[in-house]
Amino acid sequence: AQSVTQLDSQVPVFEEAPVELRCNYSSSVSVYLFWYVQYPNQGLQLLLKYLSGSTLVESINGFEAEFNKSQTSFHLRKPSVHISDTAEYFCAVIPSGTYKYIFGTGTRLKVLA
Amino acid sequence: EAQVTQNPRYLITVTGKKLTVTCSQNMNHEYMSWYRQDPGLGLRQIYYSMNVEVTDKGDVPEGYKVSRKEKRNFPLILESPSPNQTSLYFCASSLSPSQPQHFGDGTRLSIL
Repeated sequence: AQSVTQLDSQVPVFEEAPVELRCNYSSSVSVYLFWYVQYPNQGLQLLLKYLSGSTLVESINGFEAEFNKSQTSFHLRKPSVHISDTAEYFCAVIPSGTYKYIFGTGTRLKVLA
Repeated sequence: EAQVTQNPRYLITVTGKKLTVTCSQNMNHEYMSWYRQDPGLGLRQIYYSMNVEVTDKGDVPEGYKVSRKEKRNFPLILESPSPNQTSLYFCASSLSPSQPQHFGDGTRLSIL
């Protein structure tokens, strides 16, 4: 069965430090991959996506993620975080040819001053 | 403004009293979906719809019903709510399943 694993439930990091949020998936077919961010008391917003093409994808606010097919990973990185990045981050996959979304359990990023 | 609108935002009710959470999108999206979010479990898909009159079960459909009579609306129905359905619910829509989803602001349900 397909699944998504976000091993880190919470990640504390100091402001301006780099951060990596890990996401691994299992699927026997190709997948589309997404990172969503949820700020307190809000819905989810798309952060970035991988559908095809270049394996490195970037968002407008400095996050990037790299699709690694051999390791079935889609880790999210940012070289220097801000207080405003404090939020919960969800990795999601949808296997191609299906209609079912699978979300990870989320990682709470806490940026400390 | 492109948006997904859910109502109500908050609801406290009692076991067994039927309720409906409405969801409407104004983007002409074909794909719509309902999720529940629980601490430590992330989001789990309840039902999804590929188009009008086409719906299917997600991972946690027990105790829920949906309908898609119009493209813009996708209500979630709890015929006989129970306390284990206390959760935060999100509706989402997208052009197709492989495209990013737009989420509503959520509905917090408490079933006593």
